[in-house]
Amino acid sequence: QVQLQESGPGLVKPSETLSLTCIVSGGSISSYKWNWIRQPPGKGLEWIGYIYYSGITDYNPSLKSRVTISVDTSKNQFSLKLNSVAAADTAVYYCARRAAVSGMFYFDYWGQGTLVTVSS
Amino acid sequence: EIVLTQSPGTLSLSPGERATLSCRASQSVSSSYLAWYQQKPGQAPRLLIYGASTRATGIPDRFSGSGSGTDFTLTISGLDPEDFAVYYCQQCGGSPYTFGQGTKLEIK
Repeated sequence: QVQLQESGPGLVKPSETLSLTCIVSGGSISSYKWNWIRQPPGKGLEWIGYIYYSGITDYNPSLKSRVTISVDTSKNQFSLKLNSVAAADTAVYYCARRAAVSGMFYFDYWGQGTLVTVSS
Repeated sequence: EIVLTQSPGTLSLSPGERATLSCRASQSVSSSYLAWYQQKPGQAPRLLIYGASTRATGIPDRFSGSGSGTDFTLTISGLDPEDFAVYYCQQCGGSPYTFGQGTKLEIK
């Protein structure tokens, strides 16, 4: 059974960099697109971006200038960095796997999410 | 960007009733890339339906999905008390991937 676990600081100061890691267990990070999604308190889901195990990335244009996603296949994990954060970046951050089966794409495994608060 | 608009925003029904949730896309979406998720408070979203109509593993058959092009529907026949939650549609074929704003299914 594939499991994803987010980790990182729960509190980040304004203008600093938010850094999170997602550890993948129960399966290889090779193949699949590995995603970050966030959800501000009481609001909906926003896709941040993905990384393929080869290192290919794609980001949401709304965040592209501030986001970097990287992968470490030797540790079976991938990471998110979001710089110059502000209060609007306060959210629960999820990592998730995008599966591709018979031409169908969907997010089949999700981490439990980690709340990151931006505050001084 | 493909905008997904879900309706209604909130749906109040009683256990045993039938729920019909709508997801409308701003441009045509391949059915292969349309999924539905359920989210309960404090939990991560859970995959319900992918490929617009295929139930994910372990999802009860009271959940069904349909639609094509720009109009998609999630139907829950015979609501169980555990079904009251927020439901999101999502497309992950075109970048950026997008979610609908959600439909809250609440107990009447």
